[in-house]
Amino acid sequence: EADIYQTPRYLVIGTGKKITLECSQTMGHDKMYWYQQDPGMELHLIHYSYGVNSTEKGDLSSESTVSRIRTEHFPLTLESARPSHTSQYLCASSTRTGRTPYEQYFGPGTRLTVT
Amino acid sequence: GEDVEQSLFLSVREGDSSVINCTYTDSSSTYLYWYKQEPGAGLQLLTYIFSNMDMKQDQRLTVLLNKKDKHLSLRIADTQTGDSAIYFCAEIANQAGTALIFGKGTTLSVSS
Repeated sequence: EADIYQTPRYLVIGTGKKITLECSQTMGHDKMYWYQQDPGMELHLIHYSYGVNSTEKGDLSSESTVSRIRTEHFPLTLESARPSHTSQYLCASSTRTGRTPYEQYFGPGTRLTVT
Repeated sequence: GEDVEQSLFLSVREGDSSVINCTYTDSSSTYLYWYKQEPGAGLQLLTYIFSNMDMKQDQRLTVLLNKKDKHLSLRIADTQTGDSAIYFCAEIANQAGTALIFGKGTTLSVSS
């Protein structure tokens, strides 16, 4: 079972609020990812990190920001939430070596609703 | 550009076989994956296949790879209601293996 955690699992918040979605993994993985999942279930990579102090934007433009100060922690922040940010956010981690090459381990997700 | 295509829905009866299809575009992909997502949960790796293989079997799961046509399929034998989920095909996006490209997902519905 993967040791990757996301909090909160569900969040309903008003427009304009600042929010941080937490993601932590205890596997020592160097690479971490944030995906946004549409209601139609398609996954879009919005941020990834190769390691501490490394962050990159993904394929889908996002108004969110991320940080990677510690290996195990990869929080995502929205400075001013809008209804268009309503979505499911999935965090994942991976390492080059391991049971399955390049396997990404996913957290349970945070379902965000902005009213 | 890179893209992974899947059919969106599949409906089968319990006990039948399910076949979920996927096409990918990057002929240099070394690994191809099948992930499963149950309602309200994250994705979980089901199985994977290395690009120098044509077939891989793992209990009820059979993966077939046709490199010429860039076609990947997942067959689930004796499908059960617990197999109802969304299934994602994925390929490695780059040589560093740092990111995966996922298909849009196939929703499998199993009726009893």
